Order: sequence, then structure tokens, then C-alpha cells
Amino acid sequence: EIVLTQSPDTLSLSPGERATLSCRASQSVVSTYFAWYQQKPGQAPRLLIYGASSRATGVPDRFSGSGSGTDFTLTISRLEPEDFAVYYCQQYGSSLYTFGQGTKLEIK
Amino acid sequence: EVQLVESGGGVVQPGGSLRLSCVASGFTFDDYAIHWVRQAPGKGLEWVSIISGDGTTTYYADSVKGRFTFSRQNSKNSLSLQMNSLRTEDTALYFCTKDLAGFGAFHKWGQGTMVTVSS
Repeated sequence: EIVLTQSPDTLSLSPGERATLSCRASQSVVSTYFAWYQQKPGQAPRLLIYGASSRATGVPDRFSGSGSGTDFTLTISRLEPEDFAVYYCQQYGSSLYTFGQGTKLEIK
Repeated sequence: EVQLVESGGGVVQPGGSLRLSCVASGFTFDDYAIHWVRQAPGKGLEWVSIISGDGTTTYYADSVKGRFTFSRQNSKNSLSLQMNSLRTEDTALYFCTKDLAGFGAFHKWGQGTMVTVSS
């Protein structure tokens, strides 16, 4: 099973700043099968990025994904108040799906 | 608009059983695989199971294999997760999610149904 480790656990930033969230895999992941999600309190997760770098429908272009192999990054170029949430990375391989533990993006 | 609506959650004793349901609308149901993903209170996300569009293929997380059974009725746009031999660690909010075909991602999510396993 591929283990995903996200860093940092908590990221404290101000609106307007740039956020960089990382996800490292215990073994190489096929980029096609790598995704990022946003979850706000009391809500279901929302797909943001799939295929490592493709934005899902309706996702603002301030969100971007990059990376390959074992290292992936979610970047939010200029934080808006509604972006403060928990973010999860996720991968698929060998008929199994795993998530990272999450990064909480909080207002500084 | 894609919609997934879960039901069937509740409180059950350890060792007991529960059957979750999910009804889908807004897309060609039998064209898509569907997943269950769960989230324990205050914790992260854990994938539970997937069923193929035609219902012939299922996969399970090791944590539920042999205890949970995922099925679907394409004529009714509905799915069921039969949960047996429940453990306290199965306590979670269970989400029904639509697969993003070809990408191994969870495209659309229901709001979830809560399962509590407690004596």
C-alpha cells in the first residue's frame, strides 16, 4: 500500500498570501492517478485537482497542482477567505486508494 | 446536476450489522463506478470500497474485507453497503462518491450518513 504523507500538518497564512502544500508518496505514483481535495467543516470533500495538475470543473485558477513520482504540490496563488480549509491528497494504484492525513490551512 | 444521497446510518452494537444505501441521479448511472469513503470523527478520509458500473467487480480496503459487501441495482440507480461484524473502529461518516473515470479520483460526493458502533 502506498502511504501519502502531507506537510505541513497545519499552515497559518493570511489572505492574499501564497500557499504551498506538499504530499510525498512512499513509492512512485502514476500522475494520472493523483488528486487533491478541499474539505470545509461540516461539508463533504470537493475534488480540486485530478491527474496531478488538471483543475476540476468550477475550481478557480488560483489553485494549481504539480509534481510527479513521489513528490506532489498544491499551490494556491493568492489566498481568499473561502480557501481556509483542510486539504487532502489522494492516489490510486493496484486497485487501492489512499489519502494523505490532511493539511489544515488556517487564517493567521 | 449530479446528486448522491446516502441513508441507513445509525447506532449499532459491536458485532452487529447495518445496511447503508445510496441513490444517485443526474448522470448515466451504469456508466460509472461508485465508491464508499469514510471519515471517523475528527479524522481524515479512508477509502472503503468500489463497485464497477455493471456491478460485477468490487474491491475493498483490507480493514473491511470479508465484513462489508457492496452491491448495486442499476434499474433503480441505487447502491447498498452491507456492513457485518461491525467494530468500534468502523464508527464514521460514510460518503458515497462517483468515480472520475480514467483518473482514479472521487468526482462527486454525497453528504454522508453517520454510523456509530458502540455498546
